[in-house]
Amino acid sequence: GQSLEQPSEVTAVEGAIVQINCTYQTSGFYGLSWYQQHDGGAPTFLSYNALDGLEETGRFSSFLSRSDSYGYLLLQELQMKDSASYFCAVRDPDSGGYQKVTFGTGTKLQVIP
Amino acid sequence: SQTIHQWPATLVQPVGSPLSLECTVEGTSNPNLYWYRQAAGRGLQLLFYSVGIGQISSEVPQNLSASRPQDRQFILSSKKLLLSDSGFYLCAWSVMAVGTQDTEAFFGQGTRLTVV
Repeated sequence: GQSLEQPSEVTAVEGAIVQINCTYQTSGFYGLSWYQQHDGGAPTFLSYNALDGLEETGRFSSFLSRSDSYGYLLLQELQMKDSASYFCAVRDPDSGGYQKVTFGTGTKLQVIP
Repeated sequence: SQTIHQWPATLVQPVGSPLSLECTVEGTSNPNLYWYRQAAGRGLQLLFYSVGIGQISSEVPQNLSASRPQDRQFILSSKKLLLSDSGFYLCAWSVMAVGTQDTEAFFGQGTRLTVV
């Protein structure tokens, strides 16, 4: 089966940098994604890593190490609006090769003034 | 452009009553479709996914079932709701292709179900 583990909560100060880690264990692996979900809302896609290394998208960066089954999301210049839950997700194949998206446990980020 | 519709937004149902949640996707064909459940403050639990009409994979044994009567329609059902079925139900779609690198899943706005 698949499992993706994340810290349950993280608190950081406005303007600072925060890193949210994700370790995964899957039967197959195509890549690691990150989603943001504000309270009461639907998750929205942030980034995707298929290969090892760092991908940067504005204030957000995502890193992947396939050999370590590990990735992280880095948020810089934190803003109050970044307070949300963040989920890592894998797109892994089933026995037929079709891919389903499985999500991690989620990390609730609270940004404080 | 693609859009996903999910309804109703909120629902209060008594224990033992039936359930039907509907999700439709527009602007794409042959998508992967998903139903997730999220308990308050918790992660997203994959309930069902479908790679085509009539093809449903169940991830978790439970009181629920899913059907895909049309290419872009995905229905979540229950014959008799339990208290434990309360939660935030999310429908999602993604590109359907074996071995694709495209990973983004697009979510509906969710249905908040309270079983009383």
